[in-house]
Amino acid sequence: GGIITQTPKFLIGQEGQKLTLKCQQNFNHDTMYWYRQDSGKGLRLIYYSITENDLQKGDLSEGYDASREKKSSFSLTVTSAQKNEMAVFLCASSMGGGNTEVFFGKGTRLTVV
Amino acid sequence: TQTVSQSDAHVTVFEGDSVELRCNYSYGGSIYLSWYIQHHGRGLQFLLKYYSGNPVVQGVNGFEAEFSKSDSSFHLRKASVHWSDSAVYFCAVSPGGSNAKLTFGKGTKLSVKS
Repeated sequence: GGIITQTPKFLIGQEGQKLTLKCQQNFNHDTMYWYRQDSGKGLRLIYYSITENDLQKGDLSEGYDASREKKSSFSLTVTSAQKNEMAVFLCASSMGGGNTEVFFGKGTRLTVV
Repeated sequence: TQTVSQSDAHVTVFEGDSVELRCNYSYGGSIYLSWYIQHHGRGLQFLLKYYSGNPVVQGVNGFEAEFSKSDSSFHLRKASVHWSDSAVYFCAVSPGGSNAKLTFGKGTKLSVKS
């Protein structure tokens, strides 16, 4: 079996700060995702990538950048943290296409003070 | 673009009861449908999926879901729930073919009372 590792587990930032979240997977999966989870709003797709160096915008990409320089890693940057922002960011991966099981990491919890 | 709606934010049942968690979607073409479970403080885990064939699909731990094209629905059911089924359940949709965009509903929190 494989694993998805997200770092850091907890991230505290200041308003206006640029923050980077990292994700590594050892499934050898082609597709990777970044979701934001807010209470009562479910999971919202920020970016996804179907292969190395590919980036596709999700429904919530404004305010974020992403990078897929290696097949095994996918990083997400919050370009300017918003005051009092609090959310969990989930990284996920799958073999590819829509008909494959998606595996999730345990998340990075962001708090902006 | 695909959308998915879970009309119930919270469902409460007693242990041994049956339960149905509702999911409706909209999309103009072929579609993949799936359900995921998230126990408190843990990551999401896959339960089951549907693309074609028998509209009733079986998942882990006695869960099943039924696809209805006419109703644009993919409801999740369990005949007899256990307290350990308490969790948040997410319905997800993605376009058919190689498009990997996966969209989730807002989730339904299932509380099972003993």
